[in-house]
Amino acid sequence: KAGVTQTPRYLIKTRGQQVTLSCSPISGHRSVSWYQQTPGQGLQFLFEYFSETQRNKGNFPGRFSGRQFSNSRSEMNVSTLELGDSALYLCASSLSRDGYTFGSGTRLTVV
Amino acid sequence: GDSVTQMEGPVTLSEEAFLTINCTYTATGYPSLFWYVQYPGEGLQLLLKATKADDKGSNKGFEATYRKETTSFHLEKGSVQVSDSAVYFCALSDNARSGAGSYQLTFGKGTKLSVIP
Repeated sequence: KAGVTQTPRYLIKTRGQQVTLSCSPISGHRSVSWYQQTPGQGLQFLFEYFSETQRNKGNFPGRFSGRQFSNSRSEMNVSTLELGDSALYLCASSLSRDGYTFGSGTRLTVV
Repeated sequence: GDSVTQMEGPVTLSEEAFLTINCTYTATGYPSLFWYVQYPGEGLQLLLKATKADDKGSNKGFEATYRKETTSFHLEKGSVQVSDSAVYFCALSDNARSGAGSYQLTFGKGTKLSVIP
């Protein structure tokens, strides 16, 4: 059974640029949630999508956005990158609130 | 709002020592509780979970019991190994949120464990 796939694994971007990260969930899972992990703030919830609809959003600026496609694959986009956006971005795939399977993450470095 | 508080490390133990990592939580509804482990350069792996009060989750020698009266979910292992060195995260998923239609986790800050031979 394939796990959660995040691409790319590593990214280096310049301040002011934008970036798109991808997450392919486990087959049959319709919920995808995204998290930002930094040494200072730990793991913070970004947003959750279910059947192409955003159901909840964390406390992040509007530069952070996402979407989900009909095959449940999800993308998140960060526009006008700032140095502070450097982080490990993790997505999780869920069937219910009792199970979350994470991908390996995308390591974003903003220079 | 929901929150998770776990003991901050780093924690350094000798091989075969007993491990306890404390975790307490605050939640609106009736949460499910989780422990995740993260090895360097990797994502999060589910270690164990409990979905209702008095449930005990266990895996690979690790155990944690869902204590509603003390709002706690402490992680324990009787004899740690060098291979257990990692960062451990306590987390909850609140049914008050899922009832409103959102699956999401709230995490503690993480506890870094180092086991020395």
